[in-house]
Amino acid sequence: DIQMTQSPSSLSASVGDRVTITCRASQAIRNDLVWFQQRPGKAPKRLIFAASSLQSGVPSRFSGSGSGTEFTLTISSLQPEDFATYYCLQHNTYPRTFGQGTKVEIK
Amino acid sequence: QVQLVESGGGVFQPGRSLRLSCATSGFNFHNYAMHWVRQAPGKGLEWVAVVWFDGIKKYYADAVQGRFNISRDSSRETINLQINSLRVEDTAVYYCARGTGSPSEHDFWGQGTLLTVSS
Repeated sequence: DIQMTQSPSSLSASVGDRVTITCRASQAIRNDLVWFQQRPGKAPKRLIFAASSLQSGVPSRFSGSGSGTEFTLTISSLQPEDFATYYCLQHNTYPRTFGQGTKVEIK
Repeated sequence: QVQLVESGGGVFQPGRSLRLSCATSGFNFHNYAMHWVRQAPGKGLEWVAVVWFDGIKKYYADAVQGRFNISRDSSRETINLQINSLRVEDTAVYYCARGTGSPSEHDFWGQGTLLTVSS
């Protein structure tokens, strides 16, 4: 199985900060990676697909990059509604595997 | 618009069996694979299973292989998850999600149904 190592597990940031979250795959997965945002008590919401393609309706402050084994989700200017938990998912092979999650909290 | 609505959760005793369902609407059900994903209280997301558009090809997480069975009902545009020999560690919110491969991989999710396994 492919292991997805996400870091950091949590971070504290202020409104307006630039935030970067990383996912590393245990083997190359091309660009078969998706990023999700999950707010408390809600279902996950897809932000980025194919590693760097922005989901329709998602603000442009979110961006994704990477290929192979290392991937990054960047929030260019953190907004109040962005405080949530973020997950990556690899879809190169089965079983699908998620990263452990990154909780973004208010500083 | 795409809608996925899960049902069937509740409180069940260990060892029992149950079936979760996900009713779909707003898209061509026959063109999409469908997944189940679960989330234990306070924990991260865990992929559980997928059934392809043809209803034949299925994959499962190692943790549920042999005890869970995913299926789809094309006439009702619904997917199901049969869970046998319930364990306390099956306690989670169970979500269904649409799509496999780019660009549709896990693009839409339901709101989830909570399964609690407790004696």
